[in-house]
Amino acid sequence: AQSVAQPEDQVNVAEGNPLTVKCTYSVSGNPYLFWYVQYPNRGLQFLLKYITGDNLVKGSYGFEAEFNKSQTSFHLKKPSALVSDSALYFCAVREEEGGGFKTIFGAGTRLFVKA
Amino acid sequence: GAVVSQHPSRVICKSGTSVKIECRSLDFQATTMFWYRQFPKQSLMLMATSNEGSKATYEQGVEKDKFLINHASLTLSTLTVTSAHPEDSSFYICSAYSGSTREQPQHFGDGTRLSIL
Repeated sequence: AQSVAQPEDQVNVAEGNPLTVKCTYSVSGNPYLFWYVQYPNRGLQFLLKYITGDNLVKGSYGFEAEFNKSQTSFHLKKPSALVSDSALYFCAVREEEGGGFKTIFGAGTRLFVKA
Repeated sequence: GAVVSQHPSRVICKSGTSVKIECRSLDFQATTMFWYRQFPKQSLMLMATSNEGSKATYEQGVEKDKFLINHASLTLSTLTVTSAHPEDSSFYICSAYSGSTREQPQHFGDGTRLSIL
């Protein structure tokens, strides 16, 4: 079975500094990887995905993620954090199941950006 | 972009009441919708996968008779929490694909916070 791990419950960053939210995965085939963001009392919003191709994937709100096959990682990054980036971030992997697809979410990492 | 509308956003009701939550895909057809439950400071727990025109597929440990799911059309799925009790209080989120391939992202509703007194 596929799985995804987010080793940090919380990440604290000062505004303007670069941020990284870590994610590692375990898959049996080619990984289909996603990042989502959740603001308080809201559903999740899609940020970016890696399916194939360039290892550096660019997404919404200036975020990007780097796919590293040897380290089985898919860390989320942003060169300069904003206070408004403070939210809960989920890494996810998509697997095939029963003729359809199932998404496995990580436990989530709460990002705090301080002004 | 694809939009999923979930209603109501918040429900407060007495123990023993049944509560219906609606999930609509506004600008795309969703053959598959998902229902999640999220506890405070925890990740999403998949409750069931809802397929249009057929019975929902429930995850292990989720009571089918407690959480009734109906997916009557390509744009609407409903979750009914029957005879709700305080332990059913949670944040429920629905989600749908706008496509049918593995690479399509999921689109989420804004969730329903259910509080059972």
